[in-house]
Amino acid sequence: EDKVVQSPLSLVVHEGDTVTLNCSYEVTNFRSLLWYKQEKKAPTFLFMLTSSGIEKKSGRLSSILDKKELFSILNITATQTGDSAVYLCAVRWGAQKLVFGQGTRLTINP
Amino acid sequence: NAGVTQTPKFQVLKTGQSMTLQCAQDMNHNSMYWYRQDPGMGLRLIYYSASEGTTDKGEVPNGYNVSRLNKREFSLRLESAAPSQTSVYFCAHRVEGTEAFFGQGTRLTVV
Repeated sequence: EDKVVQSPLSLVVHEGDTVTLNCSYEVTNFRSLLWYKQEKKAPTFLFMLTSSGIEKKSGRLSSILDKKELFSILNITATQTGDSAVYLCAVRWGAQKLVFGQGTRLTINP
Repeated sequence: NAGVTQTPKFQVLKTGQSMTLQCAQDMNHNSMYWYRQDPGMGLRLIYYSASEGTTDKGEVPNGYNVSRLNKREFSLRLESAAPSQTSVYFCAHRVEGTEAFFGQGTRLTVV
């Protein structure tokens, strides 16, 4: 069965800490993996990964994909309270199917 | 608004009533999606449409129907609403090689 699993489901850290969020998948005909941040309403796009081993970076956020071991990680360094959100991983496979994991709820305490 | 308009924003239905959620995108994208989001569950795919005239079931299609009226519009219909369909519904669209763009969501309560 195709599935996308994120861990941990919930994480509480202090401002300034570094966090690593995980996403593993089991799908047929993998096309790409995407990370989103969701605060109050609609998810907002962070990264799209298609190739193994190539890090994508945006400010304090970075992500990498391992297509052999079927997982991706999202790193956030020097966390700030504004990073508090639900982080969603999604995998696109087959024709156009795009399926999400359960999300990781990240809370940054001052 | 990420090029997508979703209506209504809020709705309360009685059990057994029907309604249609509307979604329209102005970016000429082929693929459109309907998701539902329940507390602690992430986003679950209800139906998707890879192109005008085609639709496919996602993870949780039971109790829903969809129509891809044209390239712009993808509607989601609840024929006989049930309390288990209380959720936040998101429409999304994308083109090959890009991320998906999301609407602002419809908060639906079935009493």
